[in-house]
Amino acid sequence: QVQLEESGGGVVQPGRSLTLSCAASGFTFSNFGMHWVRQAPGKGLEWVAVVSNDGNTKYYADSVKGRFTISRDNSWNTLHLQMNGLRAADTAVYYCTREGRAFGELFSAWFDPWGQGTRVTVSS
Amino acid sequence: EIVLTQSPATLSLSPGERATLSCRASQSVSSYLAWYQQKPGQVPRLLIYDASNRATGTPARFSGSGSGTDFTLTISSLESEDSAVYYCQHRDKWPPGATFGGGTKVEIK
Repeated sequence: QVQLEESGGGVVQPGRSLTLSCAASGFTFSNFGMHWVRQAPGKGLEWVAVVSNDGNTKYYADSVKGRFTISRDNSWNTLHLQMNGLRAADTAVYYCTREGRAFGELFSAWFDPWGQGTRVTVSS
Repeated sequence: EIVLTQSPATLSLSPGERATLSCRASQSVSSYLAWYQQKPGQVPRLLIYDASNRATGTPARFSGSGSGTDFTLTISSLESEDSAVYYCQHRDKWPPGATFGGGTKVEIK
């Protein structure tokens, strides 16, 4: 079945870096755009970044632009999020999620499925 | 930037009652609107896509309606397992980013 599994979360000091990964299985990874969405403790969902199926198009939320970099390795079916200059406000559970339809199909505005999430805590 | 406003923030109803959740967009989003359910400690789960299509596994008591700027998620007859936070979400072709509403918490009395 379709699965997404995040890893790489942890506790990090402000200003430091962390890289999250998301391992995909059960589908043709290279056919789908992929996103990161985060959720701060007790708060709602916040979209973070997207990378197109071929890795050529990337787009970021203003809150992370210039600090975070999304990338993918289609040979290894893996999505990454490199986070630099971390701030306390970046403390959250980070989810990777897949666009609803593959590239070339009708546009899909929704996300499905979602990984279990990986927790990032930025604290001194 | 499109803003999604959900109301009410909290809905407290009894089992068997009808729940009506609203999501209003700051400008037209056509039918590019999805709804998710998130239970405590769990991952968001897609319920409705393209405003009115039930995702695989979504019970028939959940229905979505609307287009343009005003959308509704209706739970026709609440069950105890429907206690959760419900989020609406929009994404367009360009820019490819997404927006989530602030969520509506549904409590079962």
